[in-house]
This record gives sequence, structure tokens and C-alpha cells, in this order.
Amino acid sequence: SQQGEEDPQALSIQEGENATMNCSYKTSINNLQWYRQNSGRGLVHLILIRSNEREKHSGRLRVTLDTSKKSSSLLITASRAADTASYFCATANAGNNRKLIWGLGTSLAVNP
Amino acid sequence: DARVTQTPRHKVTEMGQEVTMRCQPILGHNTVFWYRQTMMQGLELLAYFRNRAPLDDSGMPKDRFSAEMPDATLATLKIQPSEPRDSAVYFCASGLGTFEGHEQYFGPGTRLTVT
Repeated sequence: SQQGEEDPQALSIQEGENATMNCSYKTSINNLQWYRQNSGRGLVHLILIRSNEREKHSGRLRVTLDTSKKSSSLLITASRAADTASYFCATANAGNNRKLIWGLGTSLAVNP
Repeated sequence: DARVTQTPRHKVTEMGQEVTMRCQPILGHNTVFWYRQTMMQGLELLAYFRNRAPLDDSGMPKDRFSAEMPDATLATLKIQPSEPRDSAVYFCASGLGTFEGHEQYFGPGTRLTVT
């Protein structure tokens, strides 16, 4: 079953612009993770944010987490054509069953 | 640069044939996951091992799928007999952690087509 729902499903921007993707989830979480998948490749881990954290940065990536709204956002600043990929959020539930539950992803196209 | 490797990368087979996919996790990782990805269903967890012991295979059709870890450097996923609805990309991922929700490192996937 899907826990995370990414929004939008698809996003097209120009190089240099910022891209924002959102993820909503339903149950209490231990952590939330963002992954990138280039076409025809495996997923690559980007950032893990724990339930007691509100914001995390990695290079041009900024992730926020609002546990009261059960949502997270991924911001990519100064986008590049190489950022073209699908982006997935995955949540690890709090409690005993902490399997990662995956969303269906946001497809990002960065046009040169 | 440590990576998860998967073989074969592509497999085309006829319905009813046995398919075996192999995965070599990153050395030192204690967890291995098998996923299936389709456009309609997204990423589905099929099986999960920790320290080579199967912990969860609830996502796997038991009548035709089986997953094993004969040793720490090899995980296998078998489908017998294969059906057209099994056509998908199968990913193996490995990680290091005491529970399932840690970061995972994915292999390049096996694209399976069953005709």
C-alpha cells in the first residue's frame, strides 16, 4: 500500500529555476527519505530526515518535514538538466513495523 | 566505490519458464531487499532479509516466487513458472541497520519481460 503521495506527479522547469516537490503521508513516522531515479537506473538515496528534525540540507537540496501536517517537501535550487529524474519519498513508520513505504514519485524535467 | 550489482540486467523469457535473478549486496551490509517496480503499482517490496535470515516476504506471491540468501554475498529471486504479469523491473537493495527503515542502496535492476 502507498503511504507517501508525491505532488505534483510531473514538473517541468527551466534550468536555473528552483523545483519543489511535496510528499504527504498518513501515519506517524520514524523517518522520511527522498530518493532520485534516473531513467533506466536504480534509486539513489538523497536525504533522510528524522521525525524530530524539521529541516535538512545537502548541497542544492533542502528537505523540510512538518509532522503536524504529515508532509515533507524537497527543494532543488538552481536546477540543472542533470537533475532530470523521478523523485520518490519513502517513509519508515514509527512502531514495530518500520518497512519503508514508497510513493509513486514526481517526474522532474529540467529543460536546458 | 561500493555498489550493489545485479544480473542479468535484461531478461526476456516465455511464459512458464523459470527466471533467476541474482544480487550481490554491498560488502558489510546486513540487510537485503527485493523490490518490483511497474508503472501502475510503483515500487513494491517483495522480500527482506537481515543477516541472511528472511524477515518479511509478505509482498511476494508465494506460489511462484522464492527468495534466498545462500551466503552473505549473494541473494537470489526466482520465479517459477513465470507469467506475463511478472514483467517489471526488479531491484535489489542493501543497507546497514537494525530496522528496515534505514537508507537503502539500490542496484541497477533486472528488466524482465515475460511473453
